[in-house]
Amino acid sequence: GAGVSQSPSNKVTEKGKDVELRCDPISGHTALYWYRQSLGQGLEFLIYFQGNSAPDKSGLPSDRFSAERTGGSVSTLTIQRTQQEDSAVYLCASSFPGSENIQYFGAGTRLSVL
Amino acid sequence: GEDVEQSLFLSVREGDSSVINCTYTDSSSTYLYWYKQEPGAGLQLLTYIFSNMDMKQDQRLTVLLNKKDKHLSLRIADTQTGDSAIYFCAERDTGRRALTFGSGTRLQVQP
Repeated sequence: GAGVSQSPSNKVTEKGKDVELRCDPISGHTALYWYRQSLGQGLEFLIYFQGNSAPDKSGLPSDRFSAERTGGSVSTLTIQRTQQEDSAVYLCASSFPGSENIQYFGAGTRLSVL
Repeated sequence: GEDVEQSLFLSVREGDSSVINCTYTDSSSTYLYWYKQEPGAGLQLLTYIFSNMDMKQDQRLTVLLNKKDKHLSLRIADTQTGDSAIYFCAERDTGRRALTFGSGTRLQVQP
């Protein structure tokens, strides 16, 4: 597609449920990032995928968070046993691996945990 | 660790210039970026500057970098109501691909 696509755009769930968020990067972009934006805050890095290399998971806040990237394209971020503090906008970005590393962002998934 | 700070709010009149400021702590930053976020939308890259530059101009946008003071600014000339948004400063250091973002500056343009 023309840009980074994320789904769903909004997700409301109950505390304790698992959720899956999807990101479809720009075609040909080998790098993919997940960030979290809490209300009134900047973006917090979660995880980074580059090609077939092992992902950089250093930003994941707990072991309830995990992500996969299948076939070097689509990525799924999974949050298990959601908590109210997980409520945020989850943003995905993709880029070419050039030195400028221009990251292009999707519109995000707004997650609300009740 | 890295830290990027911005003022929270700026209000200007239409036609005036806006200057949004950002400070960062990581001396190994290589690239610094300005992103714009409109309500309900993702982040749109406005411009970026390499750390060995001190100025970059792109139409109405001027980025100034003072590497010694670790200070970055974005000047928007002839600010329009369509420029109302949240502006994020971000930096990337040599060791990481991910960006470190400030908390964003909300620009309000009064007609």
